[in-house]
This record gives sequence, C-alpha cells and structure tokens, in this order.
Amino acid sequence: AQKVTQAQTEISVVEKEDVTLDCVYETRDTTYYLFWYKQPPSGELVFLIRRNSFDEQNEISGRYSWNFQKSTSSFNFTITASQVVDSAVYFCALSGSNSGYALNFGKGTSLLVTP
Amino acid sequence: EPEVTQTPSHQVTQMGQEVILRCVPISNHLYFYWYRQILGQKVEFLVSFYNNEISEKSEIFDDQFSVERPDGSNFTLKIRSTKLEDSAMYFCASRDRTGREGAFFGQGTRLTVV
Repeated sequence: AQKVTQAQTEISVVEKEDVTLDCVYETRDTTYYLFWYKQPPSGELVFLIRRNSFDEQNEISGRYSWNFQKSTSSFNFTITASQVVDSAVYFCALSGSNSGYALNFGKGTSLLVTP
Repeated sequence: EPEVTQTPSHQVTQMGQEVILRCVPISNHLYFYWYRQILGQKVEFLVSFYNNEISEKSEIFDDQFSVERPDGSNFTLKIRSTKLEDSAMYFCASRDRTGREGAFFGQGTRLTVV
C-alpha cells in the first residue's frame, strides 16, 4: 500500500522568509516516483518536480529546492525568499508500478505568504 | 505549450441526473486519468486509462462511473446518477510514455449536485 503524509496542514510566513514543506511516504514498490504539485487559489494543479526512487540527488530550480532522502522516506520542498505569489496549497504525490503509476496525493499543505 | 483541456469549467446538475465531463488530453500522450477533489480535501485518484481500456481504478470508481475515449482526442467521465456527495472538482490528466514530466492536469470541472 502507498501512503503520503504531509503533516503540516497550514503554514504562514512573512515574505522573504524561507519555508520547508515536509513530505513522508510509504511504499512497497522498489521503483517509484515522487512529485510536488502547486494548487494556487485559481484551482489548477501545476507540476513542479518529479523524482525517481533511484535518483537521490537534490535539485534546485530558482528559489525552489527539493531534498530527497530515501533513508527517511522523505521528499521535502524548500522555498527560499518566499513571495506572496507562492501562496497556494502544495501537494506531494507518489506513484509506482503497483498502482499503475497513478498518483497518490498527500492531503496538502496550505502556504500563506504575507507581505 | 500543449495543455489538457476540460469542459465545462463548472456544471450544476440535479441529483439523479447523468453528467458527462469532457477532456481533451495532450495529443501525443498515451495514459489518461481522472481525479477528484472534494472541496478542501486532497486530490483522489479515480481511474487510469491506457490502450483503450481501464488499467486501474480506485474504490471510488464504482458502477456509477464510466470512462470512454469515443474518438482520437476526447476522454470522458460519465456519472450515471449523480449524488450530492459527487460534488467536487474533477481533474483530467494525461502523460506521455516516460512520465518524465509527471502528469499534466487540466483546469478541472467543478461539479455541483443539488
């Protein structure tokens, strides 16, 4: 069975602060994929990143960075120097062969960045 | 940039009525999905579709639901007899063979059952 846990329901920060969104997963698949999606107030789901289970390299894209640690089954997401436009719900998701690669989402973390 | 298109953006229907939600996936994609998000909750997988047949479905996807790819471009979700609890945002998604860029999601259809 697969499970994605985002323990932080809501986070509020002031603009320019750094913020880390936590994601812990469980899976029996040996090959799996981890994702982060952003859902702004307008409602659409925006793909941010995909990580393979065999690639533990951290990734940085502008102000975004991701820390994948297989040993702790975590895939955390950090926003550096947050901006008001970062306010959204962020979902971590997992897919693997046992589920036909369908996405299993966490409950999401609502991030509010205030000026 | 190619995108997944869903219509309508919002649909209101009476309980017991049939609804069809429509999606046009990205043209060279091979895997298609429907997901549901009840207001304020997480996104839940409904069904995946590949090679003209259902490849996986969740417990939510019961006999009231069906999917179809009637032609080379559309992918539809039908709810036969809607219930109040079917009110949700329904997202269509598609991906290519590699899935390297994850699944691309449509803008969603907000279904309200009254």
